[in-house]
Amino acid sequence: KAGVTQTPRYLIKTRGQQVTLSCSPISGHRSVSWYQQTPGQGLQFLFEYFSETQRNKGNFPGRFSGRQFSNSRSEMNVSTLELGDSALYLCASSRGTGENTEAFFGQGTRLTVV
Amino acid sequence: DQQVKQNSPSLSVQEGRISILNCDYTNSMFDYFLWYKKYPAEGPTFLISISSIKDKNEDGRFTVFLNKSAKHLSLHIVPSQPGDSAVYFCAASRRSRTGNQFYFGTGTSLTVIP
Repeated sequence: KAGVTQTPRYLIKTRGQQVTLSCSPISGHRSVSWYQQTPGQGLQFLFEYFSETQRNKGNFPGRFSGRQFSNSRSEMNVSTLELGDSALYLCASSRGTGENTEAFFGQGTRLTVV
Repeated sequence: DQQVKQNSPSLSVQEGRISILNCDYTNSMFDYFLWYKKYPAEGPTFLISISSIKDKNEDGRFTVFLNKSAKHLSLHIVPSQPGDSAVYFCAASRRSRTGNQFYFGTGTSLTVIP
């Protein structure tokens, strides 16, 4: 079956602009989580959506937001971009029903803010 | 607060030898542990996992060991191959009605020297 799909793969934006990233999870997966990866910082958890509701949230400013649609696809939005937002943004999907299971990642969106 | 820690940012090993990657965690409520492998410009790929009811799980060349009393897990790769060169992330989660939030370490970059 198809894996996790993230679009676009690469983005270049200017400071102050906003950006929207998209993630389509594996069919049947209802949980979508977003992570930011920067050098030396590992994977920083942004938020998790399950059945169109934000269920968990990491320690990021309000400029980072997201949503999930009824088909489980998710979008992440970053407003008023800063240079420090340049990173690889990863989306992961899982069944999310509480049992122990792995999360599957997309290839990520590389965002560069100039 | 980093609940999952990988204290070695990098590791170099000769081809054919054993690679041992280590990970420590602080939250005793974690009951599921995972290892992911990541190549540059790609999303992490699930490698192997272990439930807290076990102390060892093996899959081919990869073995994960869990020491709950020490809150420590390790990934052994035997024999190491050049294609294993990548960044390895350990992750931990716990079952919850509000979903499985995954906590990731900062990664260890493994280089297998031919």
